[in-house]
Amino acid sequence: KQEVTQIPAALSVPEGENLVLNCSFTDSAIYNLQWFRQDPGKGLTSLLLIQSSQREQTSGRLNASLDKSSGRSTLYIAASQPGDSATYLCALYNTNAGKSTFGDGTTLTVKP
Amino acid sequence: NAGVTQTPKFQVLKTGQSMTLQCAQDMNHEYMSWYRQDPGMGLRLIHYSVGAGITDQGEVPNGYNVSRSTTEDFPLRLLSAAPSQTSVYFCASSYSRQATGNTIYFGEGSWLTVV
Repeated sequence: KQEVTQIPAALSVPEGENLVLNCSFTDSAIYNLQWFRQDPGKGLTSLLLIQSSQREQTSGRLNASLDKSSGRSTLYIAASQPGDSATYLCALYNTNAGKSTFGDGTTLTVKP
Repeated sequence: NAGVTQTPKFQVLKTGQSMTLQCAQDMNHEYMSWYRQDPGMGLRLIHYSVGAGITDQGEVPNGYNVSRSTTEDFPLRLLSAAPSQTSVYFCASSYSRQATGNTIYFGEGSWLTVV
């Protein structure tokens, strides 16, 4: 059974800092990995999608990497802003299970 | 483009009552699913559908029913509400379950309290 862990559960940084969010998984037979953002009282919004054959994806100030051999993905946020404050979740789609497994998320607070 | 629309946003039910959470998408997606999100337990899959007329159970299907009569709609029925079903429910859709570049789109959520 796929297990997905996101550490830390919460992170607080000053505005302008570069930061890394971590996502670890136990089953490397994945089809793709997605990073989502969730604002309080809202649904999840997809930020980046990395296919199993890819190593990274970039969108603006966001960069996500995937290392299947070590069972890790990271989401790098450059020059953080208060508007980046949200919960960030990773989700892995497993080829074997035929479904996505979500981590519990990291709640990020960027202080002005 | 409305994306994934869920109704109602908030609902309070008494134990034993039944209700239906509505979900509709306008992106012609084949794959639709229902999750519940609980503190400390993350998102758990309740039921999913890979196309009209086809549904299957996820991790936590007990107490819930679904049907998929059209591509657009995927309602979730609570048969006899229990306090353990107090949660936030999310409907999600994607083009296909296994297609390359398969971004998942989520609705805004439905907050359900069972008293």
